[in-house]
Amino acid sequence: EIVMTQTPLSSPVTLGQPASISCRSSQSLVHSDGNTYLSWLQQRPGQPPRLLIYEVSNRFSGVPDRFSGSGAGTDFTLRISRVEAEDVGIYYCMQGTQFPCTFGPGTKLEIK
Amino acid sequence: EVQLVESGGGLVQPGESLRLSCAASGFTFSNHWMHWVRQAPGKGLVWVSLINNDGSSRKHAEFVKGRFSISRDNAKNTLYLQMNSLRAEDTAVYHCVRDLSGSFWGQGTRVTVSS
Repeated sequence: EIVMTQTPLSSPVTLGQPASISCRSSQSLVHSDGNTYLSWLQQRPGQPPRLLIYEVSNRFSGVPDRFSGSGAGTDFTLRISRVEAEDVGIYYCMQGTQFPCTFGPGTKLEIK
Repeated sequence: EVQLVESGGGLVQPGESLRLSCAASGFTFSNHWMHWVRQAPGKGLVWVSLINNDGSSRKHAEFVKGRFSISRDNAKNTLYLQMNSLRAEDTAVYHCVRDLSGSFWGQGTRVTVSS
């Protein structure tokens, strides 16, 4: 099973400032088909998760362009260019390259 | 608009069974792989099961193998999770999820296993 780790686990951020979350996998997430199935999800309080980024760096439909994803192999990063109040929540990375699919422990983003 | 609406959760005793359903609408259900993902109270996300678009391939997490079974009825646009021999540690909100990327999530249905 691929283990996903995230840092930090908690991130107090000032409104309007950037934020960054790191995700690391215990094995390469490059699939035999050449794709890397690494997604970033946002879970606001009381809501189900919502897809932000898929396949490392592709922003999902309707996601603001202040969210971006990057990385390769085993190291990935989610960046928020300017944090807004609605960004408060827990952010998870998820891999679908190898079964079982696995999630990171989550990073709680809160406003200072 | 894509909608995934789960149902079938509830309070059951250890050892009992439940069948969860997920009604899909707003997209061509038969074109998409589907998952079940659960979230215990105050905890993170845990993948449970996956089924490919025509139902010919199914995968389950090790901790539910032999107890849970995922299935789908493409004519009814519905995903299922048959859960047998339920344990206290299966207590969670169960979400229906579209695609390997996790593109759309239902609100979830709560399963509580307690005596």
